[in-house]
Amino acid sequence: GAVVSQHPSWVICKSGTSVKIECRSLDFQATTMFWYRQFPKQSLMLMATSNEGSKATYEQGVEKDKFLINHASLTLSTLTVTSAHPEDSSFYICSARDRTIGGTEAFFGQGTRLTVV
Amino acid sequence: SQQGEEDPQALSIQEGENATMNCSYKTSINNLQWYRQNSGRGLVHLILIRSNEREKHSGRLRVTLDTSKKSSSLLITASRAADTASYFCATGNQAGTALIFGKGTTLSVSS
Repeated sequence: GAVVSQHPSWVICKSGTSVKIECRSLDFQATTMFWYRQFPKQSLMLMATSNEGSKATYEQGVEKDKFLINHASLTLSTLTVTSAHPEDSSFYICSARDRTIGGTEAFFGQGTRLTVV
Repeated sequence: SQQGEEDPQALSIQEGENATMNCSYKTSINNLQWYRQNSGRGLVHLILIRSNEREKHSGRLRVTLDTSKKSSSLLITASRAADTASYFCATGNQAGTALIFGKGTTLSVSS
């Protein structure tokens, strides 16, 4: 299957700093990528839909100024957690669909474990 | 927002036994997918069943779909310790683009 690479796999940052997480589709083009957040022992919660060349669509309750999303190319989307606080500590996962096949299967990155201290 | 519920939330079985997980959803769907997540890792796609299908098999996996009851089940036969993971069902959101996940079932298979 297609590969989605997410980087870094884990990061520890100080409270008040910003952290950028990258999501790349390695062998396919993705017009749309998705960002999820997962707290321990819980399910994945959709945060936003990242659209190449346009603004991201955020789910209700997700602060767009805090979670900045940029999708500058068909293979790269980034999520920046700005002014991070301990409550932002979570597992962040991105996914993408292969636009050339209009696939229904979503491919997931390996996730990023963010710890804010 | 989450689409549905899985039950049980946790399931512990012995190797060789079958494991059945259920998923219910709320809205009409085009398809329903099942994913596996090993602890602290990304998701692996297991199987997709379309709304006009009632049952689908893939190796030791069997998925059923009952659109009248808005429910699906995942059966893992002859389970192995390596099947230990969390299992999630997922359906499309209203826009039909993103996947919305159920709460998941944590399966533990002991040898």
